[in-house]
Amino acid sequence: DTGVSQNPRHKITKRGQNVTFRCDPISEHNRLYWYRQTLGQGPEFLTYFQNEAQLEKSRLLSDRFSAERPKGSFSTLEIQRTEQGDSAMYLCASRVVGSYEQYFGPGTRLTVT
Amino acid sequence: AQSVTQLDSQVPVFEEAPVELRCNYSSSVSVYLFWYVQYPNQGLQLLLKYLSGSTLVKGINGFEAEFNKSQTSFHLRKPSVHISDTAEYFCAVSLSGNTPLVFGKGTRLSVIA
Repeated sequence: DTGVSQNPRHKITKRGQNVTFRCDPISEHNRLYWYRQTLGQGPEFLTYFQNEAQLEKSRLLSDRFSAERPKGSFSTLEIQRTEQGDSAMYLCASRVVGSYEQYFGPGTRLTVT
Repeated sequence: AQSVTQLDSQVPVFEEAPVELRCNYSSSVSVYLFWYVQYPNQGLQLLLKYLSGSTLVKGINGFEAEFNKSQTSFHLRKPSVHISDTAEYFCAVSLSGNTPLVFGKGTRLSVIA
């Protein structure tokens, strides 16, 4: 069990560019969550998957954001036409249904210049 | 919808002194409650959780929390802190095992030698 991993750890991009982040959950964890954390705030829920199905999306997830989990294992979060307001830490978490404990990855810090 | 209020954004405390980090939640139904810790440049780690049963919950690293339904609180305590406890602490609530976590804004604990 190597824990939840996220890549890249840091990403600097120019406004208007597209970025994609990857999350590898703990193996056999069927629930996968994405959160966004801005400076001085707690994590805010974006979306979550059970296996490959995306079950819920927050209103924070604008049309420029899309998330996938094609084979029920790793997940990607893509942001199109990035804006400075997208600068944040993007956290991924996973868990087993019925466990209640979410295991978090180290996050991807996005800076939009 | 549920919400979480962490009453103190920063708490400085001397090493070996006791500490209490306050958390209040708002929900019209029963909830599950969690405390997470975040060390610099790392993801969140679960300290403890309350699902049901005994209102006093013990967690890792000597932390404990008490669920008080009448006051809708879930305060975190440690009788004697160490320098290594310096971190950001987040209280979170979930309606059930199937809903995402809602986090407070966090409390930065600074332990002074």
